[in-house]
Amino acid sequence: AQKVTQAQTEISVVEKEDVTLDCVYETRDTTYYLFWYKQPPSGELVFLIRRNSFDEQNEISGRYSWNFQKSTSSFNFTITASQVVDSAVYFCALRPVQGGKLIFGQGTELSVKP
Amino acid sequence: EPEVTQTPSHQVTQMGQEVILRCVPISNHLYFYWYRQILGQKVEFLVSFYNNEISEKSEIFDDQFSVERPDGSNFTLKIRSTKLEDSAMYFCASSETPQGALYEQYFGPGTRLTVT
Repeated sequence: AQKVTQAQTEISVVEKEDVTLDCVYETRDTTYYLFWYKQPPSGELVFLIRRNSFDEQNEISGRYSWNFQKSTSSFNFTITASQVVDSAVYFCALRPVQGGKLIFGQGTELSVKP
Repeated sequence: EPEVTQTPSHQVTQMGQEVILRCVPISNHLYFYWYRQILGQKVEFLVSFYNNEISEKSEIFDDQFSVERPDGSNFTLKIRSTKLEDSAMYFCASSETPQGALYEQYFGPGTRLTVT
């Protein structure tokens, strides 16, 4: 079965703290894609990153960084120096090699307080 | 920048009524998707569509649901006889291809469907 687990339902931090959102996935495919999406209170889904299964390099984009570890089937997302505007629900998703559907995790609601 | 659009943004309907949710995918995209998000829950795949036919569908996508590309631009999701549990946000998405380097699924802003 293919599955994405985001064990953290809610996280609350104070502005400027670093925060890591966990994502663990299950798949038997050797090739697959992993994604993170942000869903702000307005409701739309904002694409953040795509990672191929054969590329385990970590990625940094401004205050955002992603740690992909195939050995532990994890694809964690860290926000450095969090800001109030980071408050949103964050979804991790898996795309199997066959077909185009995205399999989403349950989401982590991040609340950044001033 | 091109974007996926969806109309209406909010639809209220009575149980048993038919609804049609509309989407305009990005113009050069060939693959289209519908997802559903019940309030407070995760986003769930409903159906994918390519070359005027369904490529894949989930267990949620039963006989009450249908999809259509009635012209060169619109992509619609029809729910024949709505139930209370159909209340959700419905997202349309499109991509150039389903896989490979060109894969990027762009989501529309969603239609919030409320069934009373």
